[in-house]
Amino acid sequence: GAVVSQHPSWVICKSGTSVKIECRSLDFQATTMFWYRQFPKQSLMLMATSNEGSKATYEQGVEKDKFLINHASLTLSTLTVTSAHPEDSSFYICSARDSAELSNQPQHFGDGTRLSIL
Amino acid sequence: RKEVEQDPGPFNVPEGATVAFNCTYSNSASQSFFWYRQDCRKEPKLLMSVYSSGNEDGRFTAQLNRASQYISLLIRDSKLSDSATYLCVVRGPGMEGNKLVFGAGTILRVKS
Repeated sequence: GAVVSQHPSWVICKSGTSVKIECRSLDFQATTMFWYRQFPKQSLMLMATSNEGSKATYEQGVEKDKFLINHASLTLSTLTVTSAHPEDSSFYICSARDSAELSNQPQHFGDGTRLSIL
Repeated sequence: RKEVEQDPGPFNVPEGATVAFNCTYSNSASQSFFWYRQDCRKEPKLLMSVYSSGNEDGRFTAQLNRASQYISLLIRDSKLSDSATYLCVVRGPGMEGNKLVFGAGTILRVKS
């Protein structure tokens, strides 16, 4: 089945560091990928929609200069948390939609990145 | 009002019990509906899609009532391994059709 790989799975770093998270579709092409954030005991919240070859679309309240998204190829999207602070500590999950599938098909999720900022 | 609402639980049930979860959504134009399962500190995994005619997959039965904007999941003969958080997920309509909106989840704990 379709696989989405997310790397790294766990990051611990100092406040002020920028952290890059990669999301790869391993066996399919994804013109669209999605980045979510989940705080403890809360639901997944969509942060942004990443579009291959164009600018990402950010959800209301998500700072585009804080969370930089690059989707340079059909199989890779990256999320960079710039100058991360403790309040950015969260579980970040990406998902991808197979371009060859109908739009009503489920998205495929990466296994998430747990970010801890000290 | 939240776009997707679920009873957070937890539902504590013995092995072999039947348990039902409910979910309501606010946007009547929503297109697709899913139940996902999320284990602690893991990514969500698709459990099943939900169709208007209702659908069953083994011990799991999902139903959709578009008129009431209500989705349900029934688990029969609960197993210990069913313990997880169950997420009700709705796909937006039209231009928002790529977006998934997640409920906050219902916690299920199956005990021996």
